[in-house]
Amino acid sequence: AQSVTQPDIHITVSEGASLELRCNYSYGATPYLFWYVQSPGQGLQLLLKYFSGDTLVQGIKGFEAEFKRSQSSFNLRKPSVHWSDAAEYFCAVGDNYGQNFVFGPGTRLSVLP
Amino acid sequence: SQTIHQWPATLVQPVGSPLSLECTVEGTSNPNLYWYRQAAGRGLQLLFYSVGIGQISSEVPQNLSASRPQDRQFILSSKKLLLSDSGFYLCAGGGGAAYEQYFGPGTRLTVT
Repeated sequence: AQSVTQPDIHITVSEGASLELRCNYSYGATPYLFWYVQSPGQGLQLLLKYFSGDTLVQGIKGFEAEFKRSQSSFNLRKPSVHWSDAAEYFCAVGDNYGQNFVFGPGTRLSVLP
Repeated sequence: SQTIHQWPATLVQPVGSPLSLECTVEGTSNPNLYWYRQAAGRGLQLLFYSVGIGQISSEVPQNLSASRPQDRQFILSSKKLLLSDSGFYLCAGGGGAAYEQYFGPGTRLTVT
């Protein structure tokens, strides 16, 4: 079974600063990897996904993530954070059958003006 | 892409009362469907998933049950709510070649 860890529970950055949210996964085969964002009281919105091919994937809202097989990581980055990016971010890994999703515990992002 | 509808948005129920939360999907057929619960400040806990009508898998023993009476309808129920059932309930649909899950807006359940 797959698993996901997000080492940072809460991160605070200043508006305009760069951002990197960490995600590590465990899965025996090539994983399907996802990043979601959740604003307070809302559902989850898909930011980006990785299935195969180019290990650097671009998503919505200026986010990107890089898959590093050797490190079992799929870190999310953004070069310049906006105040509206304050939210909870979840990394997820899916199996090859599209049935079993495992979400990480989430990282809460706060943005200082 | 899929659109997931959930209602109600918020619900306050007394302990011991029944529960029925409904989720419907549009934009696809034969989706995988999921119910998650999110406690305050916590991650997502998968409760149930379904790969087809009448096919329900439970991930966690609990006071809840799920049913899928139609292809694009997924219902979460309880006969008697407990205080510990309070939380934010999310329905998601997925499947197909892309496998990503699409989430509904959620239902905030408070059991008093």
